[in-house]
Amino acid sequence: AQSVSQHNHHVILSEAASLELGCNYSYGGTVNLFWYVQYPGQHLQLLLKYFSGDPLVKGIKGFEAEFIKSKFSFNLRKPSVQWSDTAEYFCAVNRSNTGKLIFGQGTTLQVKP
Amino acid sequence: DTAVSQTPKYLVTQMGNDKSIKCEQNLGHDTMYWYKQDSKKFLKIMFSYNNKELIINETVPNRFSPKSPDKAHLNLHINSLELGDSAVYFCASSPGLAGVAEQFFGPGTRLTVL
Repeated sequence: AQSVSQHNHHVILSEAASLELGCNYSYGGTVNLFWYVQYPGQHLQLLLKYFSGDPLVKGIKGFEAEFIKSKFSFNLRKPSVQWSDTAEYFCAVNRSNTGKLIFGQGTTLQVKP
Repeated sequence: DTAVSQTPKYLVTQMGNDKSIKCEQNLGHDTMYWYKQDSKKFLKIMFSYNNKELIINETVPNRFSPKSPDKAHLNLHINSLELGDSAVYFCASSPGLAGVAEQFFGPGTRLTVL
């Protein structure tokens, strides 16, 4: 079945630690890749997206993600997390022009001050 | 100046009731969506409309009926509510169907069926 997998369900880090959240997808062909974030009590918002060009994508708040086609991966990274990064992180894939986003299961990130 | 708004924010109701959730976007987008987020926070698309036309209809029970009176509104009506319908429902919109288009999400409606 076509799917998006996020390997880490719950990550706990101390402030200033580096972050990497894994995302793998099982679709072949052209894909558009997204990371969304949901801060406590807020709606989902886009962190970054990839659809072509440089596979290293920079997003808001110091986040970046790298698309590795051979590994079907789109991992999210941040060199130094802050307490305010505590949130749910969702990877999503769109491979058609229907707007259909397929989401991963989400990763809860808890950053301790 | 909320971009995508939903009402109500919370909805608590009894099994068997019929309820509606409303969604409005002021972004001028052509496409709107409904997603369901279950208790494990898994998000799954239910429906999408483009210019008031149904584009995506996932395997959702026919107790769920979306209605788009105009491009700025997409409402979700649920008949004969069941316990398993308890979830957070998110509305979203995007400036078209293109795969690269960012989707803008509403704040969600937490539905609890007792």
